[in-house]
Amino acid sequence: DIVMTQTPLSSPVTLGQPASISCRSSQSLVHSDENTYLSWLQQRPGQPPRLLIYKISNRFSGVPDRFSGSGAGTDFTLKISRVEAEDVGVYYCMQATQFPWTFGQGTKVEIK
Amino acid sequence: QVQLVQSGAEVKKPGASVKVSCKASGYTFASYGISWVRQAPGQGLEWMGWISAYNGNTNYAQKFQGRVTMTTDTSTSTAYMELRSLRCDDTAVYYCARDGEMGATTDYWGQGTLVTVSS
Repeated sequence: DIVMTQTPLSSPVTLGQPASISCRSSQSLVHSDENTYLSWLQQRPGQPPRLLIYKISNRFSGVPDRFSGSGAGTDFTLKISRVEAEDVGVYYCMQATQFPWTFGQGTKVEIK
Repeated sequence: QVQLVQSGAEVKKPGASVKVSCKASGYTFASYGISWVRQAPGQGLEWMGWISAYNGNTNYAQKFQGRVTMTTDTSTSTAYMELRSLRCDDTAVYYCARDGEMGATTDYWGQGTLVTVSS
């Protein structure tokens, strides 16, 4: 199985400041169709997860442009350009390149 | 708009089975797959498996092989996840999620179904 490792696991951030989360996979996430199925999801307290970013850097419908994704191969990053109060929650990376799909442990973003 | 509405909370005894439903609306059900993901209290997300609503093909996480069955009913646009031989550590919120288009996997999620396993 592909292991997804996120850092940090906790990220206290000042409102209006940037935040960054890293995700590393135990093997390349490049699929045989040449796509990389790496997604980022946000889970606010008491809510189901919500898709933010898919295929490394594509923002899903309705996602604010302060969220961006980057990376390639085995190393990926989610950035929030200016953290807002509504961004508090846990962020997960997920790979869907190979079954079984796997998630990172989650990174908790909270306001300082 | 795309919606996935799950069945209500369940309380089961160890050894019993549970069947969670996920009713889809707002899109052509048979054109997309459905994943099931669970989350134990205070824990992260755990992928359980995937089913094609088009042809019923499934892929289960090895951890659940032999204990889980995922099915779909295209006539009612509903996906089901049955988990058998329940244990206390199966207590979790169970989510269904649509496997979206253009590689946007898990693009829409159900609200979750809490399954509590307790003697």
